[in-house]
Amino acid sequence: EIVLTQSPGTLSLSPGERATLSCRASQSVSSSYLAWYQQKPGQAPRLLIYGASSRATGIPDRFSGSGSGTDFTLTISRLEPEDFAVYYCQQYGSSRRTFGQGTKLEIK
Amino acid sequence: EVQLVQSGAEVKKPGESLKISCKGSGYSFTNYWIGWVRQMSGKGLEWMGIIYPGDSDTRYSPSFQGQVTISADKSISTAYLQWSSLKASDTAMYYCVRHKMSAGPYDAFGIWGQGTMVTVSS
Repeated sequence: EIVLTQSPGTLSLSPGERATLSCRASQSVSSSYLAWYQQKPGQAPRLLIYGASSRATGIPDRFSGSGSGTDFTLTISRLEPEDFAVYYCQQYGSSRRTFGQGTKLEIK
Repeated sequence: EVQLVQSGAEVKKPGESLKISCKGSGYSFTNYWIGWVRQMSGKGLEWMGIIYPGDSDTRYSPSFQGQVTISADKSISTAYLQWSSLKASDTAMYYCVRHKMSAGPYDAFGIWGQGTMVTVSS
């Protein structure tokens, strides 16, 4: 099983600031099959990034993904009030898909 | 509009059986893998398994193999998640998910249902 470890657990920032979220895998993620999801309270998660760096349909370009192998990053260039949420990474390249434990992005 | 609409919240007793549903619309149901994700209260996301409605090829997470059954009825574009004997530890929100692309079994979850809350309590 590929274990994904997200850091930090909680990130406190202000609107307009840049957010950098990390996702580290216990072994290499096949073909960069790494996705990022956003979940707001009381809502289903939403796909932001797939293939490590491709934005899903309708996702603003302030969201970007990068990385390969075992280290991946989600960057939000300038935080908007609606970006404060929990973010999960997921690998889908192995027979047992796994999620990270999540990073909570909160307003400072 | 592509969407997944799940059945409503359920309250059950330990030992009871349950089958929840997820109806797909706005796309060719048989051509996309569809699956289930569990989220226990205040916790993270757990992948349970997926099914390809076109031929019923099903893949389970080892954590859920033997604990649940995933099925699909392509005639009514509906996928199911069922338990034969519920436990209190099955209490959670369950999301139906669809792969982003109509390709192989390895893909991100591009479409999510609204979730079905299952509560198991005596």
